[in-house]
Amino acid sequence: GAVVSQHPSWVICKSGTSVKIECRSLDFQATTMFWYRQFPKQSLMLMATSNEGSKATYEQGVEKDKFLINHASLTLSTLTVTSAHPEDSSFYICSAVIQGAEAFFGQGTRLTVV
Amino acid sequence: AQSVTQLDSHVSVSEGTPVLLRCNYSSSYSPSLFWYVQHPNKGLQLLLKYTSAATLVKGINGFEAEFKKSETSFHLTKPSAHMSDAAEYFCVVSEMDSSYKLIFGSGTRLLVRP
Repeated sequence: GAVVSQHPSWVICKSGTSVKIECRSLDFQATTMFWYRQFPKQSLMLMATSNEGSKATYEQGVEKDKFLINHASLTLSTLTVTSAHPEDSSFYICSAVIQGAEAFFGQGTRLTVV
Repeated sequence: AQSVTQLDSHVSVSEGTPVLLRCNYSSSYSPSLFWYVQHPNKGLQLLLKYTSAATLVKGINGFEAEFKKSETSFHLTKPSAHMSDAAEYFCVVSEMDSSYKLIFGSGTRLLVRP
């Protein structure tokens, strides 16, 4: 199956700093990527839909200025958590879609803000 | 709007006994439905998917699910549980537009007792 690589797999950062998470489709081009957030022992909550070459579409309640999404190419989307705070600590997962097929998920990034 | 309800937050079975994870969906159209599995601190793996073909869908690792439109259900089953099946399982519905947005259920944690 198609491979989606997410980097880093875990990161610890200080409060107030910014963290960038990358999501790459390794062997296919993805016109659409999605970013999810997962709190401990909870389900995945969709944060935003990222389309190549256009602005991301954010779900209600997600701060677009805090969670910056860039989808500059058909194989790369990035999520930057700006001015991170401890409450931003979570598991972030991306997925990439092959048009007309299924979604493939990255392995996730565990963010801990101290 | 589409939604999916997983009726059990936890299911505990003995190794070698059958597994049943329940899922009900709400949709105005013929939905695409999926089951994903997530092991601790890992990404998501697709177990199986229903996309309006055969109502009984066979997936990986011996899992299968049956789409029942009259009951709006898509329950996941396995004849004999293995210790390695212990994980979190998500029932997912796809929105019927071009965005391929996935809506996740709340998840069911499967515990397998030796």
